[in-house]
Amino acid sequence: DVKVTQSSRYLVKRTGEKVFLECVQDMDHENMFWYRQDPGLGLRLIYFSYDVKMKEKGDIPEGYSVSREKKERFSPILESASTNQTSMYLCASRTLPGQENQPQHFGDGTRLSIL
Amino acid sequence: AQSVAQPEDQVNVAEGNPLTVKCTYSVSGNPYLFWYVQYPNRGLQFLLKYITGDNLVKGSYGFEAEFNKSQTSFHLKKPSALVSDSALYFCAVRDPLRGSARHLPFGSGTQLTVLP
Repeated sequence: DVKVTQSSRYLVKRTGEKVFLECVQDMDHENMFWYRQDPGLGLRLIYFSYDVKMKEKGDIPEGYSVSREKKERFSPILESASTNQTSMYLCASRTLPGQENQPQHFGDGTRLSIL
Repeated sequence: AQSVAQPEDQVNVAEGNPLTVKCTYSVSGNPYLFWYVQYPNRGLQFLLKYITGDNLVKGSYGFEAEFNKSQTSFHLKKPSALVSDSALYFCAVRDPLRGSARHLPFGSGTQLTVLP
């Protein structure tokens, strides 16, 4: 089974802090995704990575940056955290062959609170 | 554009009764359709998908979904609901003919509550 691991289940940070979120997948998947999930808004894509060192902005990239230095790891950074970034963050991965019809595999999420 | 809608925020059903969670879509081509489930404090888990072929797709935990092209729908169903089915359900759609690989629009989610 694919395992997508988000290292922190809960994080509490202060406004203005630099916040690192981490995600690791163990199935050698090329595609990786970061979403945030907010009540009533569903899932919104922050960033997507096709492969190592490749990234593409999603629907709501403002306030975030990402790195994909290794295939198994895709890590967003909140450069200066703000209270409106309080949310549930979900990481997902997907294999490249036949990517169009392959499901995404999700981690358990990181619930981030910015005080 | 490709989009998906879940018209019901909340669905309540009694244990043992059949359940339906609705999803409609809008794509320019033939869609790929997916259902995911999210239990409390967990990520999304893949339930089933429709790519082509038989309109009735069977998935995990006894769930199935019916693709209806004329109604542009892909409703999730289960003949007999369990209390443990209570969760948040998401529909997602892809138009394989357009859109970048990254884009998989998700619906806003439907909270299913199965009452004992």
